[in-house]
Amino acid sequence: DTGVSQDPRHKITKRGQNVTFRCDPISEHNRLYWYRQTLGQGPEFLTYFQNEAQLEKSRLLSDRFSAERPKGSFSTLEIQRTEQGDSAMYLCASSFSTGGETQYFGPGTRLLVL
Amino acid sequence: EDQVTQSPEALRLQEGESSSLNCSYTVSGLRGLFWYRQDPGKGPEFLFTLYSAGEEKEKERLKATLTKKESFLHITAPKPEDSATYPCSARQLTFGSGTQLTVLP
Repeated sequence: DTGVSQDPRHKITKRGQNVTFRCDPISEHNRLYWYRQTLGQGPEFLTYFQNEAQLEKSRLLSDRFSAERPKGSFSTLEIQRTEQGDSAMYLCASSFSTGGETQYFGPGTRLLVL
Repeated sequence: EDQVTQSPEALRLQEGESSSLNCSYTVSGLRGLFWYRQDPGKGPEFLFTLYSAGEEKEKERLKATLTKKESFLHITAPKPEDSATYPCSARQLTFGSGTQLTVLP
């Protein structure tokens, strides 16, 4: 399977704990995006990378959230001191930076904060 | 501020009953209007990209059209397997809430 993969698929944690999610994009894609989605809403943009560089970050992203893409391949999204409001589906997508920029999404990581 | 609004929020159709979903957008510098299909618990699956007013694209029972302010996803003679949520996005970072489509047999 050469699509976008995410790990883990599900995560249950207690409030105050830190969690880290991983995304492996389609190998030829140089852009990688993170979104958050809650029930009944569309994906909400968090941040995106082009190669290793983090080019844009949503104003909604609190200081508890950090993302990295150290070698321009996979990416990690860390949430520190989780809160119940962080419970959501975290989606990763990847694309080329030219030729349409169509994003292809992974299956998502569902986070539940107790 | 970029904005994408979709209507209706939910739509129930009988199998074979054609209809349209609307995606209205206000963005600075549209670089494509994107339609996706999303099944429960899964990530969005890409359907179409439209770049300029007047452009149309088709895939099986779906046809997407674009004007300067909105896009439509037309569903012709839908089947129960077309039941899903259909979000659209503009500038690839701003998504609408989607239309939840249910097709009854």
